[in-house]
Amino acid sequence: AQSVTQLGSHVSVSEGALVLLRCNYSSSVPPYLFWYVQYPNQGLQLLLKYTSAATLVKGINGFEAEFKKSETSFHLTKPSAHMSDAAEYFCAVSDRGSSNTGKLIFGQGTTLQVKP
Amino acid sequence: GAGVSQSPSNKVTEKGKDVELRCDPISGHTALYWYRQSLGQGLEFLIYFQGNSAPDKSGLPSDRFSAERTGGSVSTLTIQRTQQEDSAVYLCASSLGTGSTYEQYFGPGTRLTVT
Repeated sequence: AQSVTQLGSHVSVSEGALVLLRCNYSSSVPPYLFWYVQYPNQGLQLLLKYTSAATLVKGINGFEAEFKKSETSFHLTKPSAHMSDAAEYFCAVSDRGSSNTGKLIFGQGTTLQVKP
Repeated sequence: GAGVSQSPSNKVTEKGKDVELRCDPISGHTALYWYRQSLGQGLEFLIYFQGNSAPDKSGLPSDRFSAERTGGSVSTLTIQRTQQEDSAVYLCASSLGTGSTYEQYFGPGTRLTVT
């Protein structure tokens, strides 16, 4: 069965510092991978997704993630944190096989705090 | 255009009561998903619809949970005889088609509190 592990339930960075949120997946075949962001009292918004084209995926708001098959990882990065990046971030996986329904399996989430 | 809407935004109910949660997807979106977000379990898939049929109900936690979709549009998630462990935020998402190549657009959720 597919699963996602996000290392660190809470990450704190200073404004302008590098953001690194870690995600590792478990799947028998390379899946589709996603990063979502959730601001307080709002739904989830897609930041970026990996579907097997380029392994370095660029998303919205300056975020990017790199798919590394050998490490089964899909870490999210941003070179310079902004106060508005404070939110909860979810990594998710979806099956790409014949049973591809789009159903998302989520990690536990990482809360990003940005300090002035 | 309008996004996914959910109602009510907040619902407080007594243990043992039935509740109905509504989701209005983006017009033209054929796929609709329900997820639950709780402190203990994180974000979990509940059920998905393709049109009016539900090919995957594997995430529904018990037979107290049911969902339907009519006219290929509005969906209702019903929880019968609510329990305190049902307290959570219920999120709905819709997409143009079925499969992971289609982006899922999420609504703001319904926060359910069972007292």
